[in-house]
Amino acid sequence: AQSVTQLDSQVPVFEEAPVELRCNYSSSVSVYLFWYVQYPNQGLQLLLKYLSGSTLVKGINGFEAEFNKSQTSFHLRKPSVHISDTAEYFCAVREAAGNKLTFGGGTRVLVKP
Amino acid sequence: SAVISQKPSRDICQRGTSLTIQCQVDSQVTMMFWYRQQPGQSLTLIATANQGSEATYESGFVIDKFPISRPNLTFSTLTVSNMSPEDSSIYLCSAEVGSYEQYFGPGTRLTVT
Repeated sequence: AQSVTQLDSQVPVFEEAPVELRCNYSSSVSVYLFWYVQYPNQGLQLLLKYLSGSTLVKGINGFEAEFNKSQTSFHLRKPSVHISDTAEYFCAVREAAGNKLTFGGGTRVLVKP
Repeated sequence: SAVISQKPSRDICQRGTSLTIQCQVDSQVTMMFWYRQQPGQSLTLIATANQGSEATYESGFVIDKFPISRPNLTFSTLTVSNMSPEDSSIYLCSAEVGSYEQYFGPGTRLTVT
């Protein structure tokens, strides 16, 4: 069974500063990796995904993530955040041969002016 | 992509009653999923609902408590039965579309008193 650990429960960051959200996973088989964002009182929106190929994945809203197989990590980055990026971010993993998403505990990003 | 709607968006229910949550997708999908998100927590998969077959429940969730229907390729319902305050959560449905992507509804915020 797979598991996902998001190492930071909260990340305060100033507007226009860079941010990195850390995600590590554990699985004995090939996996697909995802980052979702949840704005207050809303459902989840897919930011980006890694299925195969280039380990650097670009997503919506200026976010990108890098898959590192040796470190079993999939960290999310944005070079310059906006107030509107204040939200909860979830890393998720799915076995390549399965259909079940396993979510990490979430990282709450608070962008300060 | 897909647009997913849920009804109701929120409800306050009395202990011992049941609530049925509806989930509508704007396109035909094979796989739909139901999740629970307890206050301040991550998402936990309740069950996977494929059209034409019985739902598959995750450990800790049972059909008597969370019966699910999947009558066609665009619709599913989740019933929370014999509710207790511990069932107070956000319930989200999702659908798998395209390349292993899950799209989420806005959620149903349930409070049990």
